[in-house]
Amino acid sequence: EVQLLESGGGLAQPGESLRLSCAASGFTFSRYAMSWVRQAPGKGLEWVSAISGSADSTYYADSVKGRSTISRDNSKNTLYLQLTSLRVEDTAVYFCAKEDYETGGHLDHWGQGALVTVSS
Amino acid sequence: DIQMTQSPSTLSASVGDRVTITCRASQSISDRLAWYQQKPGKAPNLLIYKASSLEIGVPSRFSGSRSGAEFTLTISSLQPDDFATYYCQQYNSYSFTFGQGTKLEIK
Repeated sequence: EVQLLESGGGLAQPGESLRLSCAASGFTFSRYAMSWVRQAPGKGLEWVSAISGSADSTYYADSVKGRSTISRDNSKNTLYLQLTSLRVEDTAVYFCAKEDYETGGHLDHWGQGALVTVSS
Repeated sequence: DIQMTQSPSTLSASVGDRVTITCRASQSISDRLAWYQQKPGKAPNLLIYKASSLEIGVPSRFSGSRSGAEFTLTISSLQPDDFATYYCQQYNSYSFTFGQGTKLEIK
């Protein structure tokens, strides 16, 4: 059974940094691209970032480009998202999701989400 | 970026009704379109991928179709468990983009 478990969320002040983790199990992690998707309170879904299975390609939404870094450790079956220069508008539940291909697939499994609150 | 225009934003319907939700892409995405269901406080759940392929375990009352750049999610006979918010998503190219969502409410 595929399982994705996010951690690392919490309260941060504007300008601070935060690192989210997503522990994966139940599938061959290195074979699949992974994405981060966020959802601000009461709002819709926003794709944030993706990384290929081999980690040789990364992609970012304009809203976080230059302020975030996606990475993965295939030996630990773990996905990461480093968020820097946090803004109030980064407040959201962050979901990690497994893509169905090594790169560029639909999101077939999702974690339960980690809440990031940016507030002074 | 590719824009996904989803309609309606809210839909009121009754158990047993047939409902359709539409998504239009701002440019060609081939059939690389997925539909998700989300309930309050939960992660989205994949229903349909590749425009019309039903994900394993999803009831057959859900179906998807494509006509050019317009995509449709149909629920043939609404069940009480189907009242939720639905999103389309294109995965033809990064940045992936979602539609604005359709909240399906009980009439």
